[in-house]
Amino acid sequence: NAGVTQTPKFRVLKTGQSMTLLCAQDMNHEYMYWYRQDPGMGLRLIHYSVGEGTTAKGEVPDGYNVSRLKKQNFLLGLESAAPSQTSVYFCASRAGGESPLHFGNGTRLTVT
Amino acid sequence: SQQGEEDPQALSIQEGENATMNCSYKTSINNLQWYRQNSGRGLVHLILIRSNEREKHSGRLRVTLDTSKKSSSLLITASRAADTASYFCATAGYSTLTFGKGTMLLVSP
Repeated sequence: NAGVTQTPKFRVLKTGQSMTLLCAQDMNHEYMYWYRQDPGMGLRLIHYSVGEGTTAKGEVPDGYNVSRLKKQNFLLGLESAAPSQTSVYFCASRAGGESPLHFGNGTRLTVT
Repeated sequence: SQQGEEDPQALSIQEGENATMNCSYKTSINNLQWYRQNSGRGLVHLILIRSNEREKHSGRLRVTLDTSKKSSSLLITASRAADTASYFCATAGYSTLTFGKGTMLLVSP
């Protein structure tokens, strides 16, 4: 099992450009999450999904959109990147109940 | 806003010593979980303690939970250099987990 796979691993964008981060999980998990991690801020939840076709806003959703068209994939989009979106982005998934989160290894995004 | 806050922010110890990290949170929880993050990697789940539990053990890890004080502690006994990492507590609500800012642990040989 690959677990949770994030692509790309690194990306540099110019202000105003758009991009999509892909998260794929092969564990048949219902729940998927996008977090961002910034120095001194810990992890903050951007958006999440409780099942195929559903999405919901987290703590810091502004400037991001998500889609969960297939159960195994959760896409995070930046329509017009801003320097404030420079961060490390983590995708995570879990099964239902009290199951723990399984994380990918992150995407390091720099917006200049 | 962050639900959990870890203390201390950084901890430096020698191999063989015990490491204790604390987590405080603000609202009621279903459970509290601890995760570990090695540099440049994703977080890895360590242990979960339910809101009706007071203490839990897993190998060299011991977690306590005091819901009246809204706090938890993670004790790592007989630390090893390989325990060097950041440790995060996460509080579980209905569908989401909210993470604290983490404690950076450095274990020197």
